Amino acid sequence: GAVVSQHPSWVICKSGTSVKIECRSLDFQATTMFWYRQFPKQSLMLMATSNEGSKATYEQGVEKDKFLINHASLTLSTLTVTSAHPEDSSFYICSAREAFSYEQYFGPGTRLTVT
Amino acid sequence: GNSVTQMEGPVTLSEEAFLTINCTYTATGYPSLFWYVQYPGEGLQLLLKATKADDKGSNKGFEATYRKETTSFHLEKGSVQVSDSAVYFCALLSGTYKYIFGTGTRLKVLA
Repeated sequence: GAVVSQHPSWVICKSGTSVKIECRSLDFQATTMFWYRQFPKQSLMLMATSNEGSKATYEQGVEKDKFLINHASLTLSTLTVTSAHPEDSSFYICSAREAFSYEQYFGPGTRLTVT
Repeated sequence: GNSVTQMEGPVTLSEEAFLTINCTYTATGYPSLFWYVQYPGEGLQLLLKATKADDKGSNKGFEATYRKETTSFHLEKGSVQVSDSAVYFCALLSGTYKYIFGTGTRLKVLA
């Protein structure tokens, strides 16, 4: 149980275009989902927290207009990187949490390369 | 604020060697502590956890004990295998429901 998937697993896009990454909880209802960014050989940095049906809460320094997060259902959250630039290239990982639970379950990650 | 400090890597060991990866934390209240493992190109997998002082988490031969007096949660394994080569992250979870991760320790096990 407690499986989280991400799609796509990797994506290459051209500078200036937008790309959407999906995060799904497959066998539980995720009232809260989290998006992290990981640079090569570094730790995970929390970008934002999203609760189903409400606006995401972004961490300090994360541009909310650039990283659009939508959590429209209890099993799906999406991260859209708008007007992507090469510096947005990174590994993006989502995690999900059930209501009344503290533990998070992590997705396998999406590698984004912007050329 | 809350923080997690892990030993610098990389750690290179021969197969069947003893492993210790140090982790210490700073937190208010009573956080839960975790070790996650990340294999190349993959996301994080929960390795073990402990939710209160003196708890010992264990899984796949790995162990870690929640030591409140030393604010530590060191990861140990008696005999590592090549397949254990990965990056290991220590993390804490506080009342804000936000994970605080350490910087990760890369382990390389040689046959």
